[in-house]
Amino acid sequence: EVQLVESGGGLVQPGGSLRLSCAASGFTFSPYWMHWVRHAPGKGLVWVARMNGDGSHIAFADSVRGRFTISRDNAKNTLYLQMNSLRVDDTAVYYCARETNWDLEYWGQGTLVTVSS
Amino acid sequence: DIQMTQSPSSLSASLGDRVTITCRASQSISSHLNWYQQKPGMAPKLLINGASNLQSGVPSRFGGSGSGTDFTLTISSLQIEDFATYYCQQHHSPPFTFGPGTKVDIK
Repeated sequence: EVQLVESGGGLVQPGGSLRLSCAASGFTFSPYWMHWVRHAPGKGLVWVARMNGDGSHIAFADSVRGRFTISRDNAKNTLYLQMNSLRVDDTAVYYCARETNWDLEYWGQGTLVTVSS
Repeated sequence: DIQMTQSPSSLSASLGDRVTITCRASQSISSHLNWYQQKPGMAPKLLINGASNLQSGVPSRFGGSGSGTDFTLTISSLQIEDFATYYCQQHHSPPFTFGPGTKVDIK
């Protein structure tokens, strides 16, 4: 069974940093493109970032480019999102998702990031 | 960047109603369009890929159509479990933008 489990969320002050993790199990992690998507309270889904299996292809949303970094450790079956210079409007539930042929077929349960002073 | 719009932003409907949600892209995206359903407190669920291909396990009352810039999600007979928010997403080119969502609630 495919499972994605996010962790690392919490309360952080504006300007601070946080690293999210997404632990994958139930499938061979390394070949798959992986994504981060966020959902702010009362707002819609926002695509954040995408990375291919070996990390050679990465894309970001304009709103996070230059502040967020996506990475992965295929030996640990884990995807990461390093978030720096956090802003209040980065407050959201962050989901990781596995892509299959452009489809976000499997999602984690999400981890809540709250940016507030 | 490709912008996605959806209409309506919300709708109220009764059980058994036919519901239609539209999604429009700011430029042609061919059929590179997926639909997702999200219920409160839960992760999104993929319903339709390639604009019209129903995912395995998704009830046949859901249907998708369109290509280019204009797309439609139809629920032929609304069931209680369909009350949720629906999002379109383009995967034609990054950033892979979502539409703003359409919330379907009970009339």
